Amino acid sequence: KQEVTQIPAALSVPEGENLVLNCSFTDSAIYNLQWFRQDPGKGLTSLLLIQSSQREQTSGRLNASLDKSSGRSTLYIAASQPGDSATYLCAVDQGAQKLVFGQGTRLTINP
Amino acid sequence: DVKVTQSSRYLVKRTGEKVFLECVQDMDHENMFWYRQDPGLGLRLIYFSYDVKMKEKGDIPEGYSVSREKKERFSLILESASTNQTSMYLCASSSGAWGSAYGYTFGSGTRLTVV
Repeated sequence: KQEVTQIPAALSVPEGENLVLNCSFTDSAIYNLQWFRQDPGKGLTSLLLIQSSQREQTSGRLNASLDKSSGRSTLYIAASQPGDSATYLCAVDQGAQKLVFGQGTRLTINP
Repeated sequence: DVKVTQSSRYLVKRTGEKVFLECVQDMDHENMFWYRQDPGLGLRLIYFSYDVKMKEKGDIPEGYSVSREKKERFSLILESASTNQTSMYLCASSSGAWGSAYGYTFGSGTRLTVV
């Protein structure tokens, strides 16, 4: 059974820092991996999707990498801002578009 | 702007009631999903549907059923609500065939409390 783990569970950094969020998964047979953002009490917003054949995806200050063979993905956030404060979730698709989620990393950016 | 709309943000229901959670998407997506989110357990898939009148069980279907009579609408039904069904419920939709590049869009969620 696929398991997705995100480390750390919570992270607090000063504004302006570059930071990395980690995601690991136990079964490398995935179609793709997605990173989502969730604000308190709200739904999920899709940030980046990496196909299994890709190594990375970029959107603005966000860069996500995927190493399928080692079962790892990282989300890099450059020049963090207070508005980046949220919970970040990674999810893997093993087929049929059913996602298996990690528990998330709660990120706080301090002004 | 594309949207997945859940009819209620907050609901309070009594134990034993039949509860309907509604989800509508305006993107002509084939696929729709219901998840619940609980502290410490993350998001778990309840049911999903790849087409009208089609449904498949997810990881935790017990105590739930679904209905998809129209492509844009996917309803989650709690047949007899219980306190352990107190949770945040999230609806999502996506397009495309399995494994293809697709967009996965979530609604804002319904926080259900069963008393």
